[in-house]
Amino acid sequence: QQQVKQSPQSLIVQKGGISIINCAYENTAFDYFPWYQQFPGKGPALLIAIRPDVSEKKEGRFTISFNKSAKQFSLHIMDSQPGDSATYFCAAPKAAGNKLTFGGGTRVLVKP
Amino acid sequence: DVKVTQSSRYLVKRTGEKVFLECVQDMDHENMFWYRQDPGLGLRLIYFSYDVKMKEKGDIPEGYSVSREKKERFSLILESASTNQTSMYLCASSIGLAGGREQYFGPGTRLTVT
Repeated sequence: QQQVKQSPQSLIVQKGGISIINCAYENTAFDYFPWYQQFPGKGPALLIAIRPDVSEKKEGRFTISFNKSAKQFSLHIMDSQPGDSATYFCAAPKAAGNKLTFGGGTRVLVKP
Repeated sequence: DVKVTQSSRYLVKRTGEKVFLECVQDMDHENMFWYRQDPGLGLRLIYFSYDVKMKEKGDIPEGYSVSREKKERFSLILESASTNQTSMYLCASSIGLAGGREQYFGPGTRLTVT
């Protein structure tokens, strides 16, 4: 069973636009919500992560918004650039351990 | 910089062959993971190892086994490859809960079984 549901599967945005990717989770005990970025031919790499005691975290043009009551968290890419074209994965921990459950991924294409 | 290397970028095998995928990390991480990546399904955990010779099944272990004889090396074994095992295989490592949960991934091995 998929514990983390990610949408949309793909996204096309114009340069300078905002990309928004959403994830929904089931287990309210989750305490760590990372986003990974994967460029073609590369493995995923951690982009940004949030803990549920804060509602928002910003790093440069990337912001995670967290809604604990709705059990949702989102990645916003502001002023999207062609170099942001990649696949993005949200994730949440499997119980209280070292393992992660990943969402299905969103392929983002930023058109110049 | 943490480096996770995988033995092959591309591999083509025949149905029924025994396949070994090797992964090596250079940061003395306790945890190592094998995932397969398929479009729309994200990354699905095949096996996890938290110490030498220790392993746990992930979400999709059927048809796979693993070996961790040394801390830095984690091998994925397909005992008898089948066409439904055609996929991208990703290895990752992490230091463990005390050091944070960030996982460091290798570049992946694209396996085609014909």
